[in-house]
Amino acid sequence: GQNIDQPTEMTATEGAIVQINCTYQTSGFNGLFWYQQHAGEAPTFLSYNVLDGLEEKGRFSSFLSRSKGYSYLLLKELQMKDSASYLCAVNSNNAGNMLTFGGGTRLMVKP
Amino acid sequence: GAGVSQSPSNKVTEKGKDVELRCDPISGHTALYWYRQSLGQGLEFLIYFQGNSAPDKSGLPSDRFSAERTGGSVSTLTIQRTQQEDSAVYLCASSLVGDYGYTFGSGTRLTVV
Repeated sequence: GQNIDQPTEMTATEGAIVQINCTYQTSGFNGLFWYQQHAGEAPTFLSYNVLDGLEEKGRFSSFLSRSKGYSYLLLKELQMKDSASYLCAVNSNNAGNMLTFGGGTRLMVKP
Repeated sequence: GAGVSQSPSNKVTEKGKDVELRCDPISGHTALYWYRQSLGQGLEFLIYFQGNSAPDKSGLPSDRFSAERTGGSVSTLTIQRTQQEDSAVYLCASSLVGDYGYTFGSGTRLTVV
């Protein structure tokens, strides 16, 4: 089966750095995604990793280790608007490119 | 259209009634997915359409759930004899073939009372 784990909630301070971890066990692997979802809104794409290493995109970076089944999303210079849920999702190399999602990490940024 | 459009945005229905949820994907996107998100939970895959191929219905939780996609574009998710446990946000997403990223709609929040 597919199993994707991430912390339920995290709290951080404006201006700080936060790392959201995700571990996965899937029958196959064809990439890992991070999505951001503000309350009541659609998830929006943040990053895609298919090879090991760090992908940097502005204040957001995502890391992948396929051998460890592990990824993290790093948010720097936190802003209040970064308060949202962050969803980790894996493409397990199935025919339909369906994504399996973790439960999401609700991040609260405090002043 | 410019994005994935879903309607209605909110639906309150009585237990036992049927509901229809609509998804209008991005023009040209051949892949369409339905997911369900219960309060505080992750996204649960329901069904997948790709072009004219038979849909993958492996995620549908019961035979009360069905979906169709007409003309390779608009999709309708139907829930018959709704139950309180069906209350959730139903999200639709579309993508291009070979594109691993989805674009999600804003969802339909279904409340069964």
